[in-house]
Amino acid sequence: DAKTTQPTSMDCAEGRAANLPCNHSTISGNEYVYWYRQIHSQGPQYIIHGLKNNETNEMASLIITEDRKSSTLILPHATLRDTAVYYCIVRAENTGTASKLTFGTGTRLQVTL
Amino acid sequence: KAGVTQTPRYLIKTRGQQVTLSCSPISGHRSVSWYQQTPGQGLQFLFEYFSETQRNKGNFPGRFSGRQFSNSRSEMNVSTLELGDSALYLCASSLRRQGMNTEAFFGQGTRLTVV
Repeated sequence: DAKTTQPTSMDCAEGRAANLPCNHSTISGNEYVYWYRQIHSQGPQYIIHGLKNNETNEMASLIITEDRKSSTLILPHATLRDTAVYYCIVRAENTGTASKLTFGTGTRLQVTL
Repeated sequence: KAGVTQTPRYLIKTRGQQVTLSCSPISGHRSVSWYQQTPGQGLQFLFEYFSETQRNKGNFPGRFSGRQFSNSRSEMNVSTLELGDSALYLCASSLRRQGMNTEAFFGQGTRLTVV
């Protein structure tokens, strides 16, 4: 699976949009971009994933650049409960290791009043 | 729909002992993966079970083992515990359908402390 690079930490004011970047310059054509987050001492929570088109769900939006070398997770209106470590993961499609997630160090997002 | 259930939530064991952790996946999910999380190494993949067979294995010693039952419930076992095995052990379940990626859903984890 391709390697990802994320900033170590970010701050965001409550109510504002949180934009979390991720670089995955070695991504292959069959690799998806997944985002998970982990709130302190809990299990990781799935947020969203995409291949090449932008995706949106009730939690967030995922913007993937046209060359697919980077992506941005957008939390449109961050709240204090969004304070967590956010992991960007690149994962191959339907291979023997499809269920294996390779976590990096993630971005620690701190949402403040 | 119930989520992934891990038991026990907390465990304290002594060096040299062995431990068994349990994971009940989301109903209908047939794939169960296990991860270890420590402050130093982060989240690391241990192994995955699907249809009662180990499908993938991470880079961990043979003291770490697991199994899956016909109802998809899984257990992992760590023998001859070492202090460095103290960690949060997480279980994740997914549908793992042929031809498509499916997201993994994690349990709350079992916090193991080895003293």
